[in-house]
Amino acid sequence: QVQLVESEGGFVKPGGSLRLSCAASEFTFSDYYMSWIRQAPGKGLEWVSYISGRGNTKYYADSVKGRFTISRDNAKNALYLQMNSLRAEDTAVYYCARLLGACTSGRCSSFWFDSWGQGALVTVSS
Amino acid sequence: QSVLTQPPSPSGTPGQRVTISCSGSSSNIGSNTVNWYQQLPGTAPKLLIYSNDQRPSGVPDRFSGSKSGTSASLAISGLQSEDEADYHCATWDDSLNGPVFGGGTKLTVL
Repeated sequence: QVQLVESEGGFVKPGGSLRLSCAASEFTFSDYYMSWIRQAPGKGLEWVSYISGRGNTKYYADSVKGRFTISRDNAKNALYLQMNSLRAEDTAVYYCARLLGACTSGRCSSFWFDSWGQGALVTVSS
Repeated sequence: QSVLTQPPSPSGTPGQRVTISCSGSSSNIGSNTVNWYQQLPGTAPKLLIYSNDQRPSGVPDRFSGSKSGTSASLAISGLQSEDEADYHCATWDDSLNGPVFGGGTKLTVL
């Protein structure tokens, strides 16, 4: 059974940085696209970023572009999200998720997130 | 504001059939397949429906999905108390070049 376990989130002041990690197991990690999705308190889901299996293709939501960096270490079966210049509106539970489907040249006309981690709460406040 | 529009808070009684809608546009639902996720209170989302109408292994056939034009629907028949949850639709948006979600629908079982 696919397992995704995020590191603990944290409390950060505006302008600060935090790195999240997600440990994957029970599947061939390097074969899959992976993604980060967040959910602000009481709000809906918001896609943040995704990365291809080899790590050479990365895409970001406009709301985090230039501030967040997604990466992966296939030797360690780990996914990361480096978050810099954090703002209050980045406060959310962050989920890592495995992405299945057909992605070509950065477009995934048919995709789904079939497995999710338990989530990590990131709070940005002064 | 979410790119996809879902109704806020429908409700139903046990045994009833309820439908949750998800409205989009030609750049998202009109061009791509739709997924649905169930999020029980305090837990991570779980895949319920993928590729418009496909159920992953283990999802009861009480749950069904459909898509027509720029809208999609999730139907739950034989409503049970454990179906009380938030339901989220998702698809790809060609204009934004990324996945988009609806705002979520909180289903109450009376």
